[in-house]
Amino acid sequence: DGGITQSPKYLFRKEGQNVTLSCEQNLNHDAMYWYRQDPGQGLRLIYYSQIVNDFQKGDIAEGYSVSREKKESFPLTVTSAQKNPTAFYLCASRQAHGTIQSSYNSPLHFGNGTRLTVT
Amino acid sequence: KNQVEQSPQSLIILEGKNCTLQCNYTVSPFSNLRWYKQDTGRGPVSLTIMTFSENTKSNGRYTATLDADTKQSSLHITASQLSDSASYICVVSAMYDDMRFGAGTRLTVKP
Repeated sequence: DGGITQSPKYLFRKEGQNVTLSCEQNLNHDAMYWYRQDPGQGLRLIYYSQIVNDFQKGDIAEGYSVSREKKESFPLTVTSAQKNPTAFYLCASRQAHGTIQSSYNSPLHFGNGTRLTVT
Repeated sequence: KNQVEQSPQSLIILEGKNCTLQCNYTVSPFSNLRWYKQDTGRGPVSLTIMTFSENTKSNGRYTATLDADTKQSSLHITASQLSDSASYICVVSAMYDDMRFGAGTRLTVKP
């Protein structure tokens, strides 16, 4: 079955440590996204990538870094510079095909998230 | 500023009853509006998409409406089931692909 796999499901880290969240997709999607979800707020975009070896900052990129060396993989590193890293992190992908507008109409496919707790 | 507001924040209904969730937006220029269902501890899953020219779309017991003039959408759930307990998220996209997420409505269906 095609889908997006995020690992691990739960992650615990001490303050001051960097941590990397994994996101792998076998949907052959071009675009991948990282979102952060906090209680009572809408999802906020951290980084996105439309193509291999290219990525763009989202609304809350400070304290985070990403890489896109392969189409299937888009790992997110939460660095010690992120002031409030405890959150639920969601990775998503979307097919970019045909016209730009038709790709905008494609749904996001989400992984099941990683809950990061930093103490 | 492009924003998406959802109401109510939470809702409790009895199994078998109907309910309606609301989404108001200021996103412009409008491209499309999607409703997603998010089960606890899982990623959201798309239920339906509305484009500018559409004002009603159904997906089983879910019916979404869109009024592009008043910038409002609703998601109506008919004959609710326990499995409908989830958060429902409204996502509005602008023409340049600026997706904005509502905070969601947390629905609890009780037996």
